[in-house]
Amino acid sequence: DTAVSQTPKYLVTQMGNDKSIKCEQNLGHDTMYWYKQDSKKFLKIMFSYNNKELIINETVPNRFSPKSPDKAHLNLHINSLELGDSAVYFCASSQGGRSQETQYFGPGTRLLVL
Amino acid sequence: GDSVTQMEGPVTLSEEAFLTINCTYTATGYPSLFWYVQYPGEGLQLLLKATKADDKGSNKGFEATYRKETTSFHLEKGSVQVSDSAVYFCALAKYSGAGSYQLTFGKGTKLSVIP
Repeated sequence: DTAVSQTPKYLVTQMGNDKSIKCEQNLGHDTMYWYKQDSKKFLKIMFSYNNKELIINETVPNRFSPKSPDKAHLNLHINSLELGDSAVYFCASSQGGRSQETQYFGPGTRLLVL
Repeated sequence: GDSVTQMEGPVTLSEEAFLTINCTYTATGYPSLFWYVQYPGEGLQLLLKATKADDKGSNKGFEATYRKETTSFHLEKGSVQVSDSAVYFCALAKYSGAGSYQLTFGKGTKLSVIP
């Protein structure tokens, strides 16, 4: 059983297109996150949601819009893709609540913008 | 703001060698500390964690001790194997409210173990 899953695993697209990445967790967690890993492997948080409510919204272009239809899903929609958006995007989840800080990561979505 | 500094890689070791990857942090308050591992082409896996000063996290022969006085969380393993080849990330977690924690990562250290 996959705990945190993401689709697609690979995404190759042209500049200017709009694309979505989906994330699902079956751990029963309340909090979900999106991270971006750049070409140098540096990881940075983008967003977090707790029970469908946006909690963390780091300095991310507004072309990126997360959507959480329910607490088991957190999708990332990207408008007008740019070359600099090429990266690996990781979804993660945690139980939510004080002292429940351990985050479990999905396998990543490798996005290449041409 | 919070930050994590870990030793630059890559690190190349022979099988059965001793491993140390240094990690220091800057943060207000008392964050929890983590080591995550990323195998080639895969996502991040939690390796170990420590939630308060002097706690020791351990897993699969790896250990790290939360040292508040030196703000450090160095990763060690007594005898590495080829299968330990991966990128290792040190991270700290701070509470952001409403059940959400923000992880701040170091830049990662690539370990290659040769037979």
